[in-house]
Amino acid sequence: EAGVTQSPTHLIKTRGQQATLRCSPISGHTSVYWYQQALGLGLQFLLWYDEGEERNRGNFPPRFSGRQFPNYSSELNVNALELEDSALYLCASSLPIFNSDQPQHFGDGTRLSIL
Amino acid sequence: GENVEQHPSTLSVQEGDSAVIKCTYSDSASNYFPWYKQELGKGPQLIIDIRSNVGEKKDQRIAVTLNKTAKHFSLHITETQPEDSAVYFCAASMTGNQFYFGTGTSLTVIP
Repeated sequence: EAGVTQSPTHLIKTRGQQATLRCSPISGHTSVYWYQQALGLGLQFLLWYDEGEERNRGNFPPRFSGRQFPNYSSELNVNALELEDSALYLCASSLPIFNSDQPQHFGDGTRLSIL
Repeated sequence: GENVEQHPSTLSVQEGDSAVIKCTYSDSASNYFPWYKQELGKGPQLIIDIRSNVGEKKDQRIAVTLNKTAKHFSLHITETQPEDSAVYFCAASMTGNQFYFGTGTSLTVIP
Protein backbone atom coordinates (compact mmCIF):
# COMPACT_ATOMS: atom_id res chain seq x y z
CA GLU A 1 0.00 0.00 0.00
CA ALA A 2 1.41 3.38 -0.99
CA GLY A 3 1.97 5.83 1.83
CA VAL A 4 1.26 9.55 1.92
CA THR A 5 3.07 11.23 -0.96
CA GLN A 6 4.02 14.89 -1.09
CA SER A 7 5.35 16.99 -3.94
CA PRO A 8 7.61 18.66 -4.61
CA THR A 9 10.33 17.40 -2.24
CA HIS A 10 12.03 20.78 -2.25
CA LEU A 11 10.79 24.20 -3.29
CA ILE A 12 12.78 27.41 -3.46
CA LYS A 13 10.97 30.74 -3.68
CA THR A 14 11.69 34.40 -3.08
CA ARG A 15 9.91 36.79 -0.75
CA GLY A 16 6.49 37.86 -1.99
CA GLN A 17 5.99 34.87 -4.28
CA GLN A 18 3.33 32.21 -3.92
CA ALA A 19 3.91 28.50 -3.24
CA THR A 20 1.71 25.47 -3.86
CA LEU A 21 2.40 22.19 -2.07
CA ARG A 22 0.57 18.95 -2.90
CA CYS A 23 -0.39 15.87 -0.93
CA SER A 24 -1.88 12.50 -1.89
CA PRO A 25 -3.31 10.57 1.07
CA ILE A 26 -3.28 6.84 1.63
CA SER A 27 -6.03 5.12 -0.34
CA GLY A 28 -9.25 5.09 1.69
CA HIS A 29 -8.21 7.98 3.92
CA THR A 30 -10.59 10.93 3.83
CA SER A 31 -8.92 13.31 6.28
CA VAL A 32 -5.83 15.33 5.41
CA TYR A 33 -3.83 17.43 7.86
CA TRP A 34 -1.09 20.00 7.22
CA TYR A 35 1.68 20.88 9.67
CA GLN A 36 4.58 23.32 9.61
CA GLN A 37 7.87 22.21 11.16
CA ALA A 38 10.49 24.94 11.37
CA LEU A 39 14.11 23.76 11.67
CA GLY A 40 14.67 21.97 14.96
CA LEU A 41 11.18 22.72 16.21
CA GLY A 42 7.95 20.81 16.75
CA LEU A 43 4.86 20.28 14.66
CA GLN A 44 2.63 23.33 14.31
CA PHE A 45 -0.91 22.47 13.17
CA LEU A 46 -1.97 24.38 10.05
CA LEU A 47 -5.13 22.92 8.50
CA TRP A 48 -7.43 19.90 8.61
CA TYR A 49 -9.65 18.82 5.72
CA ASP A 50 -12.21 16.05 5.66
CA GLU A 51 -14.60 15.15 2.84
CA GLY A 52 -13.65 18.35 1.03
CA GLU A 53 -14.45 20.63 3.96
CA GLU A 54 -12.06 22.62 6.13
CA ARG A 55 -12.64 21.28 9.67
CA ASN A 56 -10.19 23.42 11.59
CA ARG A 57 -7.20 25.68 11.15
CA GLY A 58 -4.31 26.56 13.42
CA ASN A 59 -3.03 29.97 14.43
CA PHE A 60 -1.69 31.02 11.04
CA PRO A 61 -2.50 34.11 8.92
CA PRO A 62 -5.05 33.88 6.07
CA ARG A 63 -2.28 33.81 3.46
CA PHE A 64 -1.99 30.13 4.39
CA SER A 65 -4.89 28.36 2.68
CA GLY A 66 -5.69 25.09 1.03
CA ARG A 67 -8.29 22.80 -0.34
CA GLN A 68 -9.19 19.15 -0.65
CA PHE A 69 -10.25 17.67 -3.96
CA PRO A 70 -12.96 15.04 -4.61
CA ASN A 71 -10.26 12.33 -4.76
CA TYR A 72 -9.19 13.45 -1.23
CA SER A 73 -5.84 14.81 -2.38
CA SER A 74 -5.02 18.24 -1.03
CA GLU A 75 -2.94 21.29 -1.75
CA LEU A 76 -1.57 23.95 0.55
CA ASN A 77 -1.13 27.46 -0.81
CA VAL A 78 1.05 30.08 0.81
CA ASN A 79 0.75 33.61 -0.58
CA ALA A 80 3.06 36.60 -0.11
CA LEU A 81 5.90 34.40 1.13
CA GLU A 82 8.00 35.68 4.00
CA LEU A 83 11.45 34.56 5.15
CA GLU A 84 9.98 32.94 8.28
CA ASP A 85 7.84 30.65 6.11
CA SER A 86 10.98 28.60 5.45
CA ALA A 87 10.19 25.20 6.97
CA LEU A 88 9.34 21.58 6.35
CA TYR A 89 5.64 21.25 5.52
CA LEU A 90 4.22 17.89 6.47
CA CYS A 91 1.00 16.33 5.28
CA ALA A 92 -0.74 13.51 7.13
CA SER A 93 -3.85 11.47 6.38
CA SER A 94 -6.20 9.29 8.37
CA LEU A 95 -9.35 7.24 8.11
CA PRO A 96 -12.54 9.04 9.21
CA ILE A 97 -12.19 10.00 12.87
CA PHE A 98 -15.65 11.15 13.85
CA ASN A 99 -16.70 7.82 15.35
CA SER A 100 -13.37 6.26 16.27
CA ASP A 101 -9.77 7.17 17.01
CA GLN A 102 -7.45 6.80 14.05
CA PRO A 103 -3.71 7.42 13.78
CA GLN A 104 -2.38 9.98 11.36
CA HIS A 105 0.13 8.76 8.78
CA PHE A 106 2.71 11.27 7.58
CA GLY A 107 4.48 11.92 4.32
CA ASP A 108 8.13 12.96 4.23
CA GLY A 109 7.28 16.60 3.64
CA THR A 110 8.11 19.46 1.31
CA ARG A 111 11.11 21.57 2.28
CA LEU A 112 10.20 25.18 1.43
CA SER A 113 13.07 27.64 1.36
CA ILE A 114 12.50 31.39 0.99
CA LEU A 115 15.40 33.45 -0.30
CA GLY B 1 -8.00 23.64 23.76
CA GLU B 2 -5.72 20.77 24.71
CA ASN B 3 -2.15 21.47 25.86
CA VAL B 4 0.50 18.75 25.73
CA GLU B 5 3.83 19.13 27.50
CA GLN B 6 6.75 16.78 26.80
CA HIS B 7 9.94 16.18 28.77
CA PRO B 8 12.86 16.02 28.45
CA SER B 9 13.64 17.96 25.28
CA THR B 10 16.94 16.07 24.86
CA LEU B 11 17.99 12.68 26.20
CA SER B 12 21.27 10.78 25.84
CA VAL B 13 21.60 7.17 26.92
CA GLN B 14 24.21 4.46 26.56
CA GLU B 15 23.42 1.65 24.17
CA GLY B 16 21.54 -1.08 26.02
CA ASP B 17 20.11 1.26 28.65
CA SER B 18 16.46 2.27 28.90
CA ALA B 19 14.96 5.59 27.83
CA VAL B 20 11.81 7.18 29.22
CA ILE B 21 9.95 10.16 27.73
CA LYS B 22 7.04 11.73 29.60
CA CYS B 23 4.05 13.76 28.43
CA THR B 24 1.24 15.48 30.30
CA TYR B 25 -2.06 16.68 28.87
CA SER B 26 -4.62 19.14 30.14
CA ASP B 27 -8.01 18.04 28.79
CA SER B 28 -9.50 15.06 30.63
CA ALA B 29 -11.68 14.36 27.54
CA SER B 30 -8.61 13.29 25.54
CA ASN B 31 -8.79 9.55 24.95
CA TYR B 32 -6.20 8.65 22.29
CA PHE B 33 -2.43 8.98 22.71
CA PRO B 34 -0.09 8.10 19.81
CA TRP B 35 3.70 8.30 19.78
CA TYR B 36 5.74 9.15 16.69
CA LYS B 37 9.41 8.74 15.76
CA GLN B 38 10.97 11.17 13.31
CA GLU B 39 14.31 10.34 11.75
CA LEU B 40 16.42 12.96 10.00
CA GLY B 41 14.93 13.97 6.66
CA LYS B 42 11.79 11.91 7.15
CA GLY B 43 8.24 12.47 8.27
CA PRO B 44 7.07 11.23 11.70
CA GLN B 45 6.22 7.53 11.87
CA LEU B 46 3.69 6.05 14.29
CA ILE B 47 5.46 3.64 16.64
CA ILE B 48 2.82 2.88 19.25
CA ASP B 49 -0.51 4.24 20.48
CA ILE B 50 -2.76 3.76 23.48
CA ARG B 51 -6.43 4.42 24.15
CA SER B 52 -7.84 5.64 27.43
CA ASN B 53 -9.45 2.32 28.32
CA VAL B 54 -5.98 0.71 28.57
CA GLY B 55 -3.28 1.42 31.15
CA GLU B 56 -0.28 -0.08 29.37
CA LYS B 57 0.65 -1.39 25.94
CA LYS B 58 3.82 -3.15 24.79
CA ASP B 59 5.35 -3.85 21.41
CA GLN B 60 8.71 -5.62 21.68
CA ARG B 61 11.17 -3.09 23.17
CA ILE B 62 8.65 -0.25 23.27
CA ALA B 63 5.94 0.30 25.87
CA VAL B 64 3.56 3.11 26.69
CA THR B 65 1.84 3.70 30.04
CA LEU B 66 -1.14 5.94 30.71
CA ASN B 67 -2.27 7.45 34.01
CA LYS B 68 -5.68 9.06 33.36
CA THR B 69 -6.02 10.39 36.90
CA ALA B 70 -2.75 12.27 36.72
CA LYS B 71 -3.22 13.02 33.00
CA HIS B 72 0.18 11.81 31.94
CA PHE B 73 1.56 9.12 29.65
CA SER B 74 5.07 7.85 29.05
CA LEU B 75 7.10 6.08 26.37
CA HIS B 76 9.57 3.44 27.54
CA ILE B 77 12.28 2.07 25.25
CA THR B 78 14.31 -0.82 26.65
CA GLU B 79 17.66 -2.18 25.42
CA THR B 80 18.23 0.92 23.32
CA GLN B 81 20.12 0.64 20.04
CA PRO B 82 21.82 3.33 17.91
CA GLU B 83 18.95 3.13 15.41
CA ASP B 84 16.60 4.34 18.14
CA SER B 85 18.29 7.76 17.86
CA ALA B 86 15.63 10.14 16.55
CA VAL B 87 13.14 12.80 17.64
CA TYR B 88 10.08 11.42 19.42
CA PHE B 89 6.72 13.20 19.60
CA CYS B 90 3.75 12.43 21.80
CA ALA B 91 0.22 13.54 20.95
CA ALA B 92 -3.23 13.62 22.53
CA SER B 93 -6.65 13.80 20.95
CA MET B 94 -10.30 13.14 21.62
CA THR B 95 -12.56 11.28 19.22
CA GLY B 96 -13.49 13.44 16.26
CA ASN B 97 -10.85 16.04 16.94
CA GLN B 98 -7.36 16.95 15.78
CA PHE B 99 -4.08 15.84 17.38
CA TYR B 100 -2.22 18.07 19.81
CA PHE B 101 1.51 17.33 19.70
CA GLY B 102 4.18 17.70 22.32
CA THR B 103 7.33 19.67 21.52
CA GLY B 104 9.49 16.62 20.88
CA THR B 105 12.39 14.78 22.53
CA SER B 106 15.69 14.32 20.73
CA LEU B 107 17.02 10.91 21.78
CA THR B 108 20.68 10.02 21.22
CA VAL B 109 21.85 6.47 21.87
CA ILE B 110 25.61 6.39 22.41
CA PRO B 111 27.29 3.20 21.12
